[in-house]
Amino acid sequence: DAGITQSPRHKVTETGTPVTLRCHQTENHRYMYWYRQDPGHGLRLIHYSYGVKDTDKGEVSDGYSVSRSKTEDFLLTLESATSSQTSVYFCAIRGGQGTMNTEAFFGQGTRLTVV
Amino acid sequence: KNEVEQSPQNLTAQEGEFITINCSYSVGISALHWLQQHPGGGIVSLFMLSSGKKKHGRLIATINIQEKHSSLHITASHPRDSAVYICAVSNTGTASKLTFGTGTRLQVTL
Repeated sequence: DAGITQSPRHKVTETGTPVTLRCHQTENHRYMYWYRQDPGHGLRLIHYSYGVKDTDKGEVSDGYSVSRSKTEDFLLTLESATSSQTSVYFCAIRGGQGTMNTEAFFGQGTRLTVV
Repeated sequence: KNEVEQSPQNLTAQEGEFITINCSYSVGISALHWLQQHPGGGIVSLFMLSSGKKKHGRLIATINIQEKHSSLHITASHPRDSAVYICAVSNTGTASKLTFGTGTRLQVTL
């Protein structure tokens, strides 16, 4: 299995509080992605990173920010959590061996509930 | 219209049956991915392909670039194959972002 871990795995938080999810990889992959998974929707891209300090928005980025200060860590922050952000969040990595077009490896997911 | 469409959405089969899941896409791609997600579980990559056919055990994936269509076949299905199967495409362009279908939920019964 690819070395990719997400933390926490489960979290319940109150509306209006900030929340940070962490994705950590040991594979030295260049590209890292945060997705959310909701019933009736495919996985949707929130933000992605193509290198240290290089990030960009995905299709559902409102209310989220990210940071990547080193290759192995990609943080997703919900600035002020809302109930609509209750979801399962997946981190993914790609781009081993210097090429972008590789298999994607996923973390185990973080189930976030905003009450 | 979604860029990636899967069919069927739900599929029930008896153990031993041959199963086919279809994926159609409408964008230019550099590769197509088949992924598996067990209930409550993480997502695992089964195949990445850009042409032709790949086989791994009882799983076979094919792609027709001209028709923008891919199929995932499971031979001699087993209850442990019960999962959601997700098709995703790597769009041409920067960072090879993936666009996902909504998945096919497969239930294999004894």
